[in-house]
Amino acid sequence: DTAVSQTPKYLVTQMGNDKSIKCEQNLGHDTMYWYKQDSKKFLKIMFSYNNKELIINETVPNRFSPKSPDKAHLNLHINSLELGDSAVYFCASRRGQTYEQYFGPGTRLTVT
Amino acid sequence: AQSVSQHNHHVILSEAASLELGCNYSYGGTVNLFWYVQYPGQHLQLLLKYFSGDPLVKGIKGFEAEFIKSKFSFNLRKPSVQWSDTAEYFCAVNAPTSNTGKLIFGQGTTLQVKP
Repeated sequence: DTAVSQTPKYLVTQMGNDKSIKCEQNLGHDTMYWYKQDSKKFLKIMFSYNNKELIINETVPNRFSPKSPDKAHLNLHINSLELGDSAVYFCASRRGQTYEQYFGPGTRLTVT
Repeated sequence: AQSVSQHNHHVILSEAASLELGCNYSYGGTVNLFWYVQYPGQHLQLLLKYFSGDPLVKGIKGFEAEFIKSKFSFNLRKPSVQWSDTAEYFCAVNAPTSNTGKLIFGQGTTLQVKP
């Protein structure tokens, strides 16, 4: 059973397009996260939602907008894609105060 | 601001060699510490974690790590590596007082184990 799933796994698109990445977790966790992993494998937090409330909003261009329709889903919408947005985007989730996060398989975004 | 530093960027070992990957963090308060592993083409998996108690923690696949508070370190060790340990290893820290669970990651260490 997949705990944290992301769609799509790969996304190739052109500059200027708008795209969305979806994340779903079936662990019953109440907090979800988006991380960006760049070409040097460096992982950086972008956003986090707890029970549909935004609790982390790092310094990210406002072309990136997270949306959480319910606590099992956290989507990431990106407007006007740029070359520098090419990366692997990981979704993660966590239950309560355990601090252990479970990661999804990642979405490799390539902007051409 | 919190930061995490992993000293070794790329480590190459032969099978059966011992492994130690360094991790230092900068934060003056209480921290939770993690090591995650990312096998080629896969997602991050938790190897081990430290919240409190015994500073020597044991994780999956024979890995262990020691939290040395005075040195702000949380080094990962394995007595004898296998080819299947080839992966990226990430140290991460979280400040529990923030209550957000935000993880700050180190830059990662690429481990290559030669058969």
